[in-house]
Amino acid sequence: DIQMTQSPSSLSVSLGDNVTFTCEASENIYGFLAWYQQKLGKAPKLLIYGATNLEDGVPTRFSGSGSWTNYSLTISSLEPEDIATYYCQNNHVYPLTFGSGTKLEIK
Amino acid sequence: QVQLKESGPGLVQPSQTLSLTCTVSGFSLTSYHVHWVRQPPGKGLEWMGVMWSDGDTSYNSALKSRLSISRDTSKSQVFLKMSSLQTEDTATYYCARDRSELSGDGYFDFWGPGTMVTVSS
Repeated sequence: DIQMTQSPSSLSVSLGDNVTFTCEASENIYGFLAWYQQKLGKAPKLLIYGATNLEDGVPTRFSGSGSWTNYSLTISSLEPEDIATYYCQNNHVYPLTFGSGTKLEIK
Repeated sequence: QVQLKESGPGLVQPSQTLSLTCTVSGFSLTSYHVHWVRQPPGKGLEWMGVMWSDGDTSYNSALKSRLSISRDTSKSQVFLKMSSLQTEDTATYYCARDRSELSGDGYFDFWGPGTMVTVSS
């Protein structure tokens, strides 16, 4: 199975900051990567698919990049509603696998 | 309007079988694939398996021996059955729609709200 490693496990930031999450796959996943946002007590929400494609309705302050094994999600100018846990997901091969998540906290 | 909703017992005894139903609306099960994902309390997400639009299924090998996914297209329902439950199976169970019609790309664009299942005597 492809292992997805996210770091750090939590991030303390200020509103208005630019925030970057990283995700590393245990092997090349050829850009088949998604990012999800999960707020407390809610189901995850798809933000980015195919490493760089913004899902419909997602604010443009979210952007994704990366290739091979290394990927990142950036939030430009953090808003209060962005406080959540963020997960990456491998979609290259089954079983689909997720990273352990990065929890965003306000300083 | 696409919707998914999970239903099932909130409490299951150890060694028993879990049965969950995912009722969907706003799309056809013969056009879109439906996945099951679970999340233990305070932990990350685990993909469990998928009901493909053609009626075939695929499972996470870690769960395959205990897991069965089926459907009733006339009722727009997908079913999950998992046997020999243990306390580590305590989790919120989600069903989610695959973003791409027919081809399927493994991205989940719509999710149910989830149903919490506790395994305890």
